[in-house]
Amino acid sequence: NAGVTQTPKFRVLKTGQSMTLLCAQDMNHEYMYWYRQDPGMGLRLIHYSVGEGTTAKGEVPDGYNVSRLKKQNFLLGLESAAPSQTSVYFCASSYPLLGRAIEQYFGPGTRLTVT
Amino acid sequence: QQQVKQSPQSLIVQKGGISIINCAYENTAFDYFPWYQQFPGKGPALLIAIRPDVSEKKEGRFTISFNKSAKQFSLHIMDSQPGDSATYFCAASMEAAGNKLTFGGGTRVLVKP
Repeated sequence: NAGVTQTPKFRVLKTGQSMTLLCAQDMNHEYMYWYRQDPGMGLRLIHYSVGEGTTAKGEVPDGYNVSRLKKQNFLLGLESAAPSQTSVYFCASSYPLLGRAIEQYFGPGTRLTVT
Repeated sequence: QQQVKQSPQSLIVQKGGISIINCAYENTAFDYFPWYQQFPGKGPALLIAIRPDVSEKKEGRFTISFNKSAKQFSLHIMDSQPGDSATYFCAASMEAAGNKLTFGGGTRVLVKP
């Protein structure tokens, strides 16, 4: 049981390049989330999904797109990377309990640098 | 505008001492308040959580105190150990908003032996 895994672990991009971050979970969780972590800012929600085929915007969605074609995978795309997107990205998943999603399980993170 | 404000940003405590981290929130619709612990190079992991219908929750050396009228909650780490050295995040969520977590800015705790 690997939990939540993220690919890649590290990446350096040039401004304007595109890339996709992959998140996979093997816990059969309905809900999945993408956060970015910046010093002093905590974690901020980028996009989230409450089920296969559904996505919604979070707190800081601009410059990012997501897709949830399979229940176990949640992809985060950067179409044209900017230096402001230099950050550590975390994926998380959770399950609904009596209509509520409680504990979120986080992946190990992807450190992205945009030069 | 940060909806959950956390203080202090960093904390140094001697082994055996008490670490106290405070959080304040603005939105009274929040109904779930977890604390996450993060070690360097790792993702955050749930430490302890509380709902607003109780004023205190204790799990081992970790206690959450919750003051609904003041819109504040805090984490107390009793008998702090070097292994507790980590970054701690408070968070809040509400069922009506899909249970998305709003995090505080984090507190880096260093426990000196």
